[in-house]
Amino acid sequence: AQSVTQLGSHVSVSEGALVLLRCNYSSSVPPYLFWYVQYPNQGLQLLLKYTSAATLVKGINGFEAEFKKSETSFHLTKPSAHMSDAAEYFCAVSEGGGSNYKLTFGKGTLLTVNP
Amino acid sequence: DTGVSQDPRHKITKRGQNVTFRCDPISEHNRLYWYRQTLGQGPEFLTYFQNEAQLEKSRLLSDRFSAERPKGSFSTLEIQRTEQGDSAMYLCASSLPSADNYGYTFGSGTRLTVV
Repeated sequence: AQSVTQLGSHVSVSEGALVLLRCNYSSSVPPYLFWYVQYPNQGLQLLLKYTSAATLVKGINGFEAEFKKSETSFHLTKPSAHMSDAAEYFCAVSEGGGSNYKLTFGKGTLLTVNP
Repeated sequence: DTGVSQDPRHKITKRGQNVTFRCDPISEHNRLYWYRQTLGQGPEFLTYFQNEAQLEKSRLLSDRFSAERPKGSFSTLEIQRTEQGDSAMYLCASSLPSADNYGYTFGSGTRLTVV
């Protein structure tokens, strides 16, 4: 069965500092991996996705993530945090390649950006 | 098309009452998913449809829950005899089934409070 572990339920950074949100996955087949962002009382917005192409994936709002098979990781980074990045971030895995695209989500990491 | 639409945004109901939520997916998306998100957790898969066929149901979906997508367009999720444990955000998402598209478009959710 697939699973996702997000290390750190809360990450706090200063504006302009590096953002690093950690995600480790478990999957019995080559995974497809996603990062979503959720603002208060909103649905989830897709930041980026890895679907077995390039291991370094660039997404929206300056975020990127690197797939590392040997470490079963898919950490999310952004070189310089902005106040508008404050939100909750979810990593998700899907056992893609077949007809079932059900996603399994991590518990989320709340990002706080301090002025 | 402006995305996935969910109605209502908020619902407060008394324990024991029945509630029904509606989801209108992106028009060309033939896959539709329901997820439930409780406080401090990531979304959990409930069920999904391809066109009008319900292809998978989670064991989280007890007998009190039923979902339909009668004409392969909008979907409804009904909860009968609500319990306080049903309080959560119910998220709908839609997608295309093609192998080139991984990642859903989520709606803004329906927040249910059972009092």
